[in-house]
Amino acid sequence: EVLLVESGGGLVQPGGSLRLSCAASGFTFSNYSMNWVRQAPGKGLEWVSYISPSSTSIYYADSVRGRFTISRDNAKKSLYLQMNSLRAEDTAVYYCSRGVPAAIGYFQHWGQGILVTVSS
Amino acid sequence: EIVLTQSPGTLSLSPGEGATLSCRASQSVSNSYLAWYQQKPGQAPRLLIYGASSRATGIPDRFSGSGSGTDFSLTISRLEPEDFAVYYCQQYGSSLITFGGGTKVEIK
Repeated sequence: EVLLVESGGGLVQPGGSLRLSCAASGFTFSNYSMNWVRQAPGKGLEWVSYISPSSTSIYYADSVRGRFTISRDNAKKSLYLQMNSLRAEDTAVYYCSRGVPAAIGYFQHWGQGILVTVSS
Repeated sequence: EIVLTQSPGTLSLSPGEGATLSCRASQSVSNSYLAWYQQKPGQAPRLLIYGASSRATGIPDRFSGSGSGTDFSLTISRLEPEDFAVYYCQQYGSSLITFGGGTKVEIK
C-alpha cells in the first residue's frame, strides 16, 4: 500500500521559515516524480512544486518561486519543502503527492495533508 | 501558464441523476494531459481520470471523461450518495501544472 505522511507544519510568523517533510512507503520512491500541492482554507487546489526522480528537473509555481525549495532524499524515501519568507497567503494545507515515473504527470497518491498557518 | 476554467461552479442534483462537468483551458492541453479529481470535506483529493478519458484504478464506470484540445468534460452517469463532492480538473501538459477552480456537486 502506498503511504505518504507529511510532517513539519504549524504556526509561523510572517517572514519566517518552515520545512515540511513527506515520508514515503509502499513503492520504489526513487522511480517516481513527486509534488507539493496546497489548499488555502475554503479554497481550491494549487500546485506548488515538482521534482523528478533524480532531482534533475525541478519546477515551481510563480507564487512561490524564489522563496520555496523542493528536494528529496531517495535513500531516506523522503520529500522536503523548505519554505522561506512566508506570507499570510501561504497559509494552507500542504499535500505531498506522488506523480508518475520520470515525468510530469497526474497525482495518483496523496498524503493526508499538513496545515501551515502564517500569522503574527 | 494554462488557465483552467470549470463550470458550473455548483451543480444541484438528486441521486440517480446524471451530471456533466466542464473544464475549459486557455490554450490547448498537449497530448490531452488532463486529469480529474474528487475531493470530499476534510479529505485529500482522489484521482478519477487521467489522460482525459482513462479511469484510475478502482474508479466505478459511472465516471467517464472526454475531450481534447481546450474543452474537456467529466460525466457521472447516475449519481450515488457518495458522489456529492467537489471536482477539480488539472492539466499536466506543461511544466507549470495548473488546477481548475472546482465544481461542487451538491444534493438538491
